Amino acid sequence: AQTVTQSQPEMSVQEAETVTLSCTYDTSESDYYLFWYKQPPSRQMILVIRQEAYKQQNATENRFSVNFQKAAKSFSLKISDSQLGDAAMYFCAYRSLYGNKLVFGAGTILRVKS
Amino acid sequence: DAGVIQSPRHEVTEMGQEVTLRCKPISGHNSLFWYRQTMMRGLELLIYFNNNVPIDDSGMPEDRFSAKMPNASFSTLKIQPSEPRDSAVYFCASSFGLGEITGELFFGEGSRLTVL
Repeated sequence: AQTVTQSQPEMSVQEAETVTLSCTYDTSESDYYLFWYKQPPSRQMILVIRQEAYKQQNATENRFSVNFQKAAKSFSLKISDSQLGDAAMYFCAYRSLYGNKLVFGAGTILRVKS
Repeated sequence: DAGVIQSPRHEVTEMGQEVTLRCKPISGHNSLFWYRQTMMRGLELLIYFNNNVPIDDSGMPEDRFSAKMPNASFSTLKIQPSEPRDSAVYFCASSFGLGEITGELFFGEGSRLTVL
């Protein structure tokens, strides 16, 4: 069974600075998806960024980018120019290409200081 | 476009009562998921459906929990009888199903259940 590990329960970043959230996963599959979801206090789950495992290029969405290391099974999220609105719980998630389950990590609370 | 719609947003009930949570997936999606979120256990997959058929219900904690999907646009998660330890936020999510391009799940806003 696949597992996702987020080793940082909480992180803090100063506004306008850069922060990196860590995620590792365990799988025997070669094709899969990886995601970062954001959950603000409103509790809505919002997709931040996705990565297909067959793509070598790291995904980027505006201020959000990932460092995908397939061999190391690592998938970190970098947030540049942090904003107060980035404060939320961030979940790393794995989904098999041919399966339906989305497996979540435990989450990292990100606090943004002004 | 309407997203995944869940009701109720909040439910407070007493132990022993029946609770029914409802979900309307995004039109055209053929996979539907029920997740439970608690502080202690994080996000847990309870059950998921593909083309209205339950595929994996191994996450359903007990026989007190049941889920149905009578058609492509509606699903329910029922707890009978409810217990205080069932207090959690229950999320419904939908997606296009096996092998789709994006793999993304679209989540509803969740139903916060409190069992007294």
